[in-house]
Amino acid sequence: LAKTTQPISMDSYEGQEVNITCSHNNIATNDYITWYQQFPSQGPRFIIQGYKTKVTNEVASLFIPADRKSSTLSLPRVSLSDTAVYYCLVALLNRGSTLGRLYFGRGTQLTVWP
Amino acid sequence: NAGVTQTPKFQVLKTGQSMTLQCAQDMNHEYMSWYRQDPGMGLRLIHYSVGAGITDQGEVPNGYNVSRSTTEDFPLRLLSAAPSQTSVYFCASRYRYKNEKLFFGSGTQLSVL
Repeated sequence: LAKTTQPISMDSYEGQEVNITCSHNNIATNDYITWYQQFPSQGPRFIIQGYKTKVTNEVASLFIPADRKSSTLSLPRVSLSDTAVYYCLVALLNRGSTLGRLYFGRGTQLTVWP
Repeated sequence: NAGVTQTPKFQVLKTGQSMTLQCAQDMNHEYMSWYRQDPGMGLRLIHYSVGAGITDQGEVPNGYNVSRSTTEDFPLRLLSAAPSQTSVYFCASRYRYKNEKLFFGSGTQLSVL
């Protein structure tokens, strides 16, 4: 499975847009990209998932360039409650026979300041 | 649906003791996994299972045993606890064949003295 690289930490202020980039140089054709958010003392929760180009939901946007070797999670107008650890995960697309080791890595600690 | 349920929430062990962390899901997910989380280390995969009777190792399997006798349950066993196993443990599940997200439990805080 493709491993990922993210910044260890980022800081922002309330109301700003935050972009967190994840590198996955060894991504395979059938891999998709998923982002999770984790608050202290809680398990991670799903934010957004995509395969190529752009995906948007009510929480965030995910930008994936044509070569798919990186992806950017965009959080519009962050608030204090967005302070959390964000994980980028790359895994096989719907291939049950080989789905197995889903590696999360260390994630990015985002701190939002007032 | 209760989702993914982990018990206990907190546990203190002495070195050498054994215990089982319980994980149950009611979503009929084939895939279940265990992670441990240590400060600054992110989430590290211990063991996973793609169905009843099928388990495999992750990144940090040493010191842990698992089995999967039913679709619903995936217990994690510590046969002889060590201080290095002090951590927060998370169980997660998802469908094996659908392009679905992982659902996580609320975690078990384990301290080994």
